[in-house]
Amino acid sequence: EVQLVESGGGLVQPGGSLRLSCSASGFTVSSNYMTWVRQAPGKGLEWVSVIYSGGSTYYADSVKGRFTISRHDSKNTLYLQMNSLRPEDTAVYFCARGQAGRSFDYWGQGTLVTVSS
Amino acid sequence: EIVLTQSPGTLSLSPGERATLSCRASQSVSSSYLAWYQQKPGQAPRLLIYGASSRTTGIPDRFSGSGSGTDFTLTISRLEPEDFAVYYCQHYGGSLFTFGPGTKVDIK
Repeated sequence: EVQLVESGGGLVQPGGSLRLSCSASGFTVSSNYMTWVRQAPGKGLEWVSVIYSGGSTYYADSVKGRFTISRHDSKNTLYLQMNSLRPEDTAVYFCARGQAGRSFDYWGQGTLVTVSS
Repeated sequence: EIVLTQSPGTLSLSPGERATLSCRASQSVSSSYLAWYQQKPGQAPRLLIYGASSRTTGIPDRFSGSGSGTDFTLTISRLEPEDFAVYYCQHYGGSLFTFGPGTKVDIK
């Protein structure tokens, strides 16, 4: 059974850093493309970043230069390193697995990041 | 950058009725890369449709997707109580992914 479990969220001050983890089971992270999507409180979905099986990474303009997506193959885990956090980064962060048609078929339950002083 | 617009913002319908949700792109996009998701409060999104019209495994056949170019539609043929939720379209292009703002389907 495919499962994704995020962790690492919490309260951080503006300008601070946080690393999110997404532990996967039932499939191999490195064989798929994986993504992070966020949702601010009461708002819609916003794509954040993607990493492909070959290692290529891409970012939304809103996080480029501040966030870094990566994976640890032996731990079958996806990460999102978030630096220079801003109040507008406050959101639930979901990891998801990519599938055909550049869509996302399995999602984690999300982890809440709150950026506030 | 492609912008997705969804209409209406809110759709108020009764169980058993037909729901028609629209997703419009700011320029022509590949239907191969157009997907639809359902999200209920407190839950992660669930993939319904990919490639504009292909249903994901386990999705009931009352959900169908269609469209091409700039105009795409998600149709729910007969609303069941569990279908009241927010629906998002999503596109991939130019190495970037984009979500629409969502359509809320609520009970009339």
